[in-house]
Amino acid sequence: QVQLQESGPGLVKPSQTLSLTCTVSGGSISSGSYYWSWIRQPAGKGLEWIGRIYTSGSTNYNPSLKSRVTISVDTSKNQFSLKLSSVTAADTAVYYCARAMDVWGKGTTVTVSS
Amino acid sequence: QTVVTQEPSLTVSPGGTVTLTCASSTGAVTSGYYPNWFQQKPGQAPRALIYSTSNKHSWTPARFSGSLLGGKAALTLSGVQPEDEAEYYCLLYYGGALVFGGGTKLTVL
Repeated sequence: QVQLQESGPGLVKPSQTLSLTCTVSGGSISSGSYYWSWIRQPAGKGLEWIGRIYTSGSTNYNPSLKSRVTISVDTSKNQFSLKLSSVTAADTAVYYCARAMDVWGKGTTVTVSS
Repeated sequence: QTVVTQEPSLTVSPGGTVTLTCASSTGAVTSGYYPNWFQQKPGQAPRALIYSTSNKHSWTPARFSGSLLGGKAALTLSGVQPEDEAEYYCLLYYGGALVFGGGTKLTVL
C-alpha cells in the first residue's frame, strides 16, 4: 500500500526557508486523480492545512500562508516538496504530508531557532 | 477568515454513544463541503476515518459513522471502546481551500 515519508532539516534559522520533501512509496505519485497535501501541527495545538498540489502542477494554498509557500512535485522521483520562506518561531511544528487526506506520513518535526 | 468549530471536549462511557459536531462560520455545512473526520492519538499522525460526509475508509471501524445534523457535520461513535479515546478533527473543503476544525478531545471514562 502507499506510504509517505517526510524528510528535511529539523532545525531552520529565523528568516530562512524551510524545505521538506515527501517521498511516496508503494505506488506512483502520478496514478489516479489524487492531490498531495502538506499539513502542520504546532506542539499541543490543532492541525493546519498548508496547501496541496495535483500532479498536473495545479496548486492551492492556505490564504494565511500563501505569500510564503511553494509546493512542487517531481514525478520522476515520486516526490513532492514544500518550501516555506521567511520562517519565524511560529512556524515550529510537526509537518505532515498526505495523499488526498486519506494516507498520511508519520510527520517530521521542524524547529525554527537561531 | 473561515472558522470551523468543534466541541473542545466530550466525555463518554465505554459502550455508550457520542456525537461530535463540526460547524462552519459561513453557515450550514452541506455535502458540498465534503466533510472529513480524523482521529489522532498522542504521538501519532492523524488517521482518516470518514470522507465526503459519511463514507468510511476500508480501515474505519463500523462503530464510526458520519452524517449531517442540524446544519453541521457530525461524527457518531456507537459502542465506544476505550481505544477510541483520542483527539478528533473535522475538515471542510471551501473550494480550493481546506480548513480543519480545532479538534475535540474525546475522553472515555
